Amino acid sequence: SAVISQKPSRDICQRGTSLTIQCQVDSQVTMMFWYRQQPGQSLTLIATANQGSEATYESGFVIDKFPISRPNLTFSTLTVSNMSPEDSSIYLCSYDRGALNEQFFGPGTRLTVL
Amino acid sequence: GENVEQHPSTLSVQEGDSAVIKCTYSDSASNYFPWYKQELGKGPQLIIDIRSNVGEKKDQRIAVTLNKTAKHFSLHITETQPEDSAVYFCAAAGNQFYFGTGTSLTVIP
Repeated sequence: SAVISQKPSRDICQRGTSLTIQCQVDSQVTMMFWYRQQPGQSLTLIATANQGSEATYESGFVIDKFPISRPNLTFSTLTVSNMSPEDSSIYLCSYDRGALNEQFFGPGTRLTVL
Repeated sequence: GENVEQHPSTLSVQEGDSAVIKCTYSDSASNYFPWYKQELGKGPQLIIDIRSNVGEKKDQRIAVTLNKTAKHFSLHITETQPEDSAVYFCAAAGNQFYFGTGTSLTVIP
C-alpha cells in the first residue's frame, strides 16, 4: 500500500478561525476521502474527493464549512472553517485502492478548538 | 443506508486467551468487510478483510468469519498479546464504507 501522510498532526485553534489540513499520498490514487472521528467515537465520512471534480459531501456536511481541494492524484486538503469547540475531533484522510475497495488511512489530525 | 452494529464495546482478556468481536450489518448489497486496528494517537490500520464470496479468512493469529445469510461477521484473535490492545473497528462496504462503533480491547499481561 502507498504511504499516506497528513499535516499538521495536531493543532489547537481559536474559535472563529479556519484550519487547512493537508493529505499526501506517495503514489497516484483515484479516490480520496475525509472522515471525522469525534473523541471515543467511530468514523464518519465527511466527503469523497476525486481529482478534477467537486467533492461529494455526505448528509450533515456542507462545502462552506468543509471546503475540499483535490488538485492532483496524490494530494488533497480539507479546510475546517469558522471553527467552534464542536469541531474538536480527529480528521482522517484515506484513499481507495480502486476496484479492490480497500481503504488506507492517514495518521490523522487532532484538532482542538478553544 | 447501511447500519453496522459492533459488540462488545469493551473487552478485556488475559494474555494468551482468545478475543472475539462481532458485527452485524443490514444492507445485503454490502460485499466487502474489513477490520481496522486503531492504536492510541494513530490512524486506523487495515488488519484483515473478507469478501462476500468467502466464508472465512485467516492470517496468523487473526481470522475473520462471514455469514452472509445472517448478515454477521466476526474477528477472532488467538493467543492475544499486550500489543493487541487497541480499538478495533469493523466496516461493511458496497459503494461506501460504513463503520461499526468500535471495540476497545485490553490484553492484560
